[in-house]
Amino acid sequence: KAGVTQTPRYLIKTRGQQVTLSCSPISGHRSVSWYQQTPGQGLQFLFEYFSETQRNKGNFPGRFSGRQFSNSRSEMNVSTLELGDSALYLCASSLVEGDETQYFGPGTRLLVL
Amino acid sequence: QQQVKQSPQSLIVQKGGISIINCAYENTAFDYFPWYQQFPGKGPALLIAIRPDVSEKKEGRFTISFNKSAKQFSLHIMDSQPGDSATYFCAASMEYGNKLVFGAGTILRVKS
Repeated sequence: KAGVTQTPRYLIKTRGQQVTLSCSPISGHRSVSWYQQTPGQGLQFLFEYFSETQRNKGNFPGRFSGRQFSNSRSEMNVSTLELGDSALYLCASSLVEGDETQYFGPGTRLLVL
Repeated sequence: QQQVKQSPQSLIVQKGGISIINCAYENTAFDYFPWYQQFPGKGPALLIAIRPDVSEKKEGRFTISFNKSAKQFSLHIMDSQPGDSATYFCAASMEYGNKLVFGAGTILRVKS
């Protein structure tokens, strides 16, 4: 069974731009969560989606948003990029909502210049 | 109350030795405690997980010890191998919650 896939793997943007990252969960998994990983703040929860609805949200500004499609694929968007948004963005999938067993993808490395 | 504190920040162990990483939490609502292993350029991979009703869980060379009264849990890697060199994260989440709260991570290096 294929794992979680994330595209693109690497991205360079400039301040003020916006970016969209994509995540395809493991086949059959219906819940997708997003995390930001930085050297300073570590791994931080962004949000969780299940059945195309945001179920849980972390402490991030409104510039960070996401959505989930009917096939469980998810996208996250960051608008008005700031230098501090440079990070590894990780997507994790789990079978159902509330299933703590989460499988992570390889991440998208975003660099904001 | 949402924090999970992890120590040490880094660890060097000889091949064949035991690696021990510790975590402590404050929020008693946490109900699930996984450990993740991350290699450079990869996403975290689930190693082993435990719930508060169990004091120890073993899977191969990896063991979680859990002390509910002290609100602490630890990962023991027996017979540590150079291939175990990676960053290890402890985490916690509440019942039926996908929001994992992670520790800061421990960089493990196993010397051959």
